[in-house]
Amino acid sequence: DAKTTQPPSMDCAEGRAANLPCNHSTISGNEYVYWYRQIHSQGPQYIIHGLKNNETNEMASLIITEDRKSSTLILPHATLRDTAVYYCIVRVGPLWQGGSEKLVFGKGTKLTVNP
Amino acid sequence: DSGVTQTPKHLITATGQRVTLRCSPRSGDLSVYWYQQSLDQGLQFLIQYYNGEERAKGNILERFSAQQFPDLHSELNLSSLELGDSALYFCASSRKVGNLYEQYFGPGTRLTVT
Repeated sequence: DAKTTQPPSMDCAEGRAANLPCNHSTISGNEYVYWYRQIHSQGPQYIIHGLKNNETNEMASLIITEDRKSSTLILPHATLRDTAVYYCIVRVGPLWQGGSEKLVFGKGTKLTVNP
Repeated sequence: DSGVTQTPKHLITATGQRVTLRCSPRSGDLSVYWYQQSLDQGLQFLIQYYNGEERAKGNILERFSAQQFPDLHSELNLSSLELGDSALYFCASSRKVGNLYEQYFGPGTRLTVT
């Protein structure tokens, strides 16, 4: 799986957009970009994934550059409850449930949303 | 709520002891994964089971073992415990999101070895 690079920490004002960058310059054509977050010591929470097109769901938007070497997770209106460690993970996504789907977590970005 | 349950929530035991952590995946999810999160190593994949069979293995110590039962719940057994085994242990199960299967994590078991 390709390696990712994220800033160790970021701050954001409550109500503003939080833009979390991730570099994955060695990503392969069949590798997806995934984002998870971990609030305090809770279990990691799936946020979003994408291959090459931008994606949006109820939690966030994922913008992937055209060369796929980097991406940005956008929380459009950050709240205090979005304070967490955000992990960007790149891996091949299996298309069947029985595949080996281990997640390799880096150190992530500690996002602090300030009032 | 991910639908994945783990028991116990907290566990305190002494070095040399053996403990069993339990995980119940969301109903219908066939895969179970175990991860360990310690302060110095971060989140690390231990092992995956799919429908009762071991599917993938990570950096799991020989003192650790796991199994998945016919009702799909899984147990992680940790023996000859050492201080360094103190960590959060997470279980996850996978479900389909779009055309891929994503992992949803339980609340974890905090193990303290004294």
